[in-house]
Amino acid sequence: NAGVMQNPRHLVRRRGQEARLRCSPMKGHSHVYWYRQLPEEGLKFMVYLQKENIIDESGMPKERFSAEFPKEGPSILRIQQVVRGDSAAYFCASSPAKDLKTQYFGPGTRLLVL
Amino acid sequence: LAKTTQPISMDSYEGQEVNITCSHNNIATNDYITWYQQFPSQGPRFIIQGYKTKVTNEVASLFIPADRKSSTLSLPRVSLSDTAVYYCLVGDGKAAGNKLTFGGGTRVLVKP
Repeated sequence: NAGVMQNPRHLVRRRGQEARLRCSPMKGHSHVYWYRQLPEEGLKFMVYLQKENIIDESGMPKERFSAEFPKEGPSILRIQQVVRGDSAAYFCASSPAKDLKTQYFGPGTRLLVL
Repeated sequence: LAKTTQPISMDSYEGQEVNITCSHNNIATNDYITWYQQFPSQGPRFIIQGYKTKVTNEVASLFIPADRKSSTLSLPRVSLSDTAVYYCLVGDGKAAGNKLTFGGGTRVLVKP
């Protein structure tokens, strides 16, 4: 019974490159969330998706960031033209449709922008 | 979403019981209280969730008074491996787009 899976676990990019972070939710979960965590801080909500739909993207920066959760395959968080301030840990969580008040988190992707 | 307040840090020793109290004065009728544990370089891990009175599982107990304006996470007989950050969150999974709002959490340090 695999949990939420994220890859890569670590990602190094130079300024201006693109970063793609992948998240496979737990089996049977159709709701996916992305959070960002800076060192010594709590997690900050970015976006909430269901299959093929963005439900709430109020935490996403207006530019360079996008997210998708296609009908088939993992959810993708895409950061274009990365800057040093994008360096952080990005966590994905998922919920089953019948219990939205509980989210299960993946191990995170640590992005380092040089 | 109801805001939560919890101590920044707590120290304890192996074998002791650790109690972390979280204040949530503006909790709504439909809100549940959920606690997560986070180790360094890992994602938050669900510990326990409750609505009222007391909930117990193999890891912890959660005490919620009748007014539900606070809750206490109790970790029995902690070990060194319980050193982590503990987050208290409230929500019903439906309001405000279902996003979780994490505060700063409580850093628990268990000493030998």
